[in-house]
Amino acid sequence: QKEVEQNSGPLSVPEGAIASLNCTYSDRGSQSFFWYRQYSGKSPELIMSIYSNGDKEDGRFTAQLNKASQYVSLLIRDSQPSDSATYLCAVRLSYNTDKLIFGTGTRLQVFP
Amino acid sequence: DAGVIQSPRHEVTEMGQEVTLRCKPISGHNSLFWYRQTMMRGLELLIYFNNNVPIDDSGMPEDRFSAKMPNASFSTLKIQPSEPRDSAVYFCASSFAGAPADTQYFGPGTRLTVL
Repeated sequence: QKEVEQNSGPLSVPEGAIASLNCTYSDRGSQSFFWYRQYSGKSPELIMSIYSNGDKEDGRFTAQLNKASQYVSLLIRDSQPSDSATYLCAVRLSYNTDKLIFGTGTRLQVFP
Repeated sequence: DAGVIQSPRHEVTEMGQEVTLRCKPISGHNSLFWYRQTMMRGLELLIYFNNNVPIDDSGMPEDRFSAKMPNASFSTLKIQPSEPRDSAVYFCASSFAGAPADTQYFGPGTRLTVL
């Protein structure tokens, strides 16, 4: 079992819709979770971090964390074509506080 | 403020040649990470440093790879000899370890092609 798993996609949504991206992780003791966005040919950039169970909202983005079920999700409301990118889920392992494990990413396509 | 700086941005070399990738972390950051990204394997951590000291090099694929951080503002990743399967994008990232939100900031990457 991979430590961090994501559906590779592509996930296609129409402009204005809600895009839902999911991620599961294997280390039950993990405490820190991150969503990075990566445009084609560019480097990953952090868009959200979440540390506690529940929802965390930042503009059109909402991160959701459920530690009991070991999943974290990212919702993008009012999706725009500019949101089209690969979204990487990253988890900081409980036994190594500096190391991030990345999922392989979900490619999101927002069509007009 | 300048972000993480990497050089070169692109490198094309022939199998067997030595390749050196360079990274300058964000000033004040004390952790530095080297990643490799390929379509097949995604983003993989190769090695990371805290306060210039290598902490975890378990991701380094083999002895052909080596990394150094002689001071807080410079790190190198060397591949000798290079092989075609080393072709990938290599990212350097830095963070301030221990901060409440110790985000890793990525450099623009070096696209390496080994012929």
